[in-house]
Order: sequence, then C-alpha cells, then structure tokens
Amino acid sequence: EAGVAQSPRYKIIEKRQSVAFWCNPISGHATLYWYQQILGQGPKLLIQFQNNGVVDDSQLPKDRFSAERLKGVDSTLKIQPAKLEDSAVYLCASRDLGLAGVGFFGPGTRLTVL
Amino acid sequence: KQEVTQIPAALSVPEGENLVLNCSFTDSAIYNLQWFRQDPGKGLTSLLLIQSSQREQTSGRLNASLDKSSGRSTLYIAASQPGDSATYLCAVKSGNQFYFGTGTSLTVIP
Repeated sequence: EAGVAQSPRYKIIEKRQSVAFWCNPISGHATLYWYQQILGQGPKLLIQFQNNGVVDDSQLPKDRFSAERLKGVDSTLKIQPAKLEDSAVYLCASRDLGLAGVGFFGPGTRLTVL
Repeated sequence: KQEVTQIPAALSVPEGENLVLNCSFTDSAIYNLQWFRQDPGKGLTSLLLIQSSQREQTSGRLNASLDKSSGRSTLYIAASQPGDSATYLCAVKSGNQFYFGTGTSLTVIP
C-alpha cells in the first residue's frame, strides 16, 4: 500500500513570496490533515478535511493560508504572502474513518522563508 | 484547551539501557493517546495507540501505559539500541482534535 505523498520535499523562498504544497493521501482515506511543525515543537493542526469538506480550520491563519481538497482526494496548502515565522515543516496525514489514531503521515515539506 | 507536555526534552543513554519517556496532559477527557517516532527529515511513524479504556499497550520492546486520571502516559523502551535514536512524540485525542507534545529527542550511544 502506497503511503502519503508530499511535494516538494524542500522549498526556500523570500518573505512576501507565495508557495504551495501538495499532498496525495492514501487511497480511500476520507480524512486529511495539514499540520505545521516548527523546529523544536510538536505538530500543530492547521486544517482537517473530511472528503472535500472542511471539518476544522480554527488554527489556520486565513489571512495568508488557504487549503483545498478537490474531489476529496489530493490537497494543496498555499501561503501568500509568506512570513519569516512560516518557516517550518508542513506535514500531511490521512486517516481511514474506521481508524482510532491520527493516521498516516507523509514525509513533510520543509519550508525556509528568508 | 488541552496542553501536552513531554519531559525530558532530550535524553542520551548507553546502548542496552532500559528507559522511560514521559507525557503529561491537562485534560483527562481523552479518547486515546498515541506515541510516535520521528526520524530527521521524515514524517511521524505510529508506535502504539492506547484507547482511553485501556491501561497499557505493548509492541516488541515498547510498552506504553496510560493513567487518565492523573493525566500521564509513559513509553518504556527495553534494551535500547542505536536504531532507537529519534524524537518521540505523544498525541492525545480530545474532542475532534489531536494535540501533540513537543517531543523527547533520544540518543542511544553505541
């Protein structure tokens, strides 16, 4: 079974630029999460999707971050414009509705904002 | 709001030692608690999940316990190996969300 795929793996941008991350979850997983993990901290939930609907985006900085999950499969997370404090690893995870835990994580995208 | 704390932040032990990692949470109303391992540059790998009705779970050299009333969980690693070197994170499910601790960075010295 293929795991959660993310791209790119690394991205370096200047502040005020835009960036987009892509996530392909495990086939059939209805729930998809985006987490932000700042160095030395645990992952913080940004947004949770169930199929193509948003379940929780209470911690998403909506003035600069946006996310979508078209057709309930792949998802993109965008930052526009980026700030220095957005430097972090962005993790995508997916979960089958029957699973009790967080689910399966992708390798993450490491973003550096200069 | 649920707060999850992990102590110590870093731990270094010689190979072969048994060790305990700690996870504390402020709200005992949890559905489950999960322990993860994170290797540098990689995502999180689930190690053990304990449901709120359970006291412990075991997998190989790993044993995780849960004391919901006191807001604590421990991850016991027996006979540590250099390959166990990684960051270990715990996460609790409260409401519809998962809350992560800040992790313990473990180094096992050969």
